[in-house]
Amino acid sequence: QQQVKQSPQSLIVQKGGISIINCAYENTAFDYFPWYQQFPGKGPALLIAIRPDVSEKKEGRFTISFNKSAKQFSLHIMDSQPGDSATYFCAARRSRGSTLGRLYFGRGTQLTVWP
Amino acid sequence: SQTIHQWPATLVQPVGSPLSLECTVEGTSNPNLYWYRQAAGRGLQLLFYSVGIGQISSEVPQNLSASRPQDRQFILSSKKLLLSDSGFYLCAWSPGLHSNQPQHFGDGTRLSIL
Repeated sequence: QQQVKQSPQSLIVQKGGISIINCAYENTAFDYFPWYQQFPGKGPALLIAIRPDVSEKKEGRFTISFNKSAKQFSLHIMDSQPGDSATYFCAARRSRGSTLGRLYFGRGTQLTVWP
Repeated sequence: SQTIHQWPATLVQPVGSPLSLECTVEGTSNPNLYWYRQAAGRGLQLLFYSVGIGQISSEVPQNLSASRPQDRQFILSSKKLLLSDSGFYLCAWSPGLHSNQPQHFGDGTRLSIL
C-alpha cells in the first residue's frame, strides 16, 4: 500500500514557468514532510521540509504548501530553470513514538525544464 | 561535518554470483542506517534499517541481507544474485535517537546483473 501518493509522474515546464508537484497521504500521524531532489547518478538530497503546524514554507524559489485538512502538500518551483531538471520525491514521516524516523516516499516526479 | 560513502559506484555481476555493497558514515556516532533500492518509476523501496550494531530489520523478504559490523558501517549482501536484483542501491543515515531529523543519502551503487 502506497502511503504517499505523488503526481504527476513526469512534468515538462518552460524556463521561467512554475513547476507544481502534488502529494497526498492518509496517515494522520505523519508530522514531517520533506521533499528530496535527485540528479541522475546521484542520491536524493533534502531540498525543503515542512511540519503540519504551518501552511507554507518558502526557501528561495522553492515553496511547500500544506493542507492539513485535505492531507495534501505540494512543491512549487517558481521561475523554473534548466538546472532544476531532476527527479523530485515527496515523503512523510511519523516522528512521535518512533526513534527510527522511517520515511515513506512518493514514487517521484521527473521534471524537465526547457530553455 | 557528516559524510556518507558508498562503493562501488557501479557494479556488473553475473547471475548467481555473491554481492557485497558497503556504506560508511563519518562525523557522527550511533546513526540510524538504511538501505534502499530504487527502480525506475517506483520510487524508493526501503530494504533494511538498523538502529545499532548488529540490529537489522528487514522490510521486504528477498534474496538480500544486511549487516552492521561497526557503528558506522552498513553492508548489503547476497549469496546468489538474481536478475531481479538489478537496480540502484542507496544507503542513507539519520541521527540516532532523534527521529525528527532528516535522512541523508549516499550517491548510490548502480548494480547490473547479467
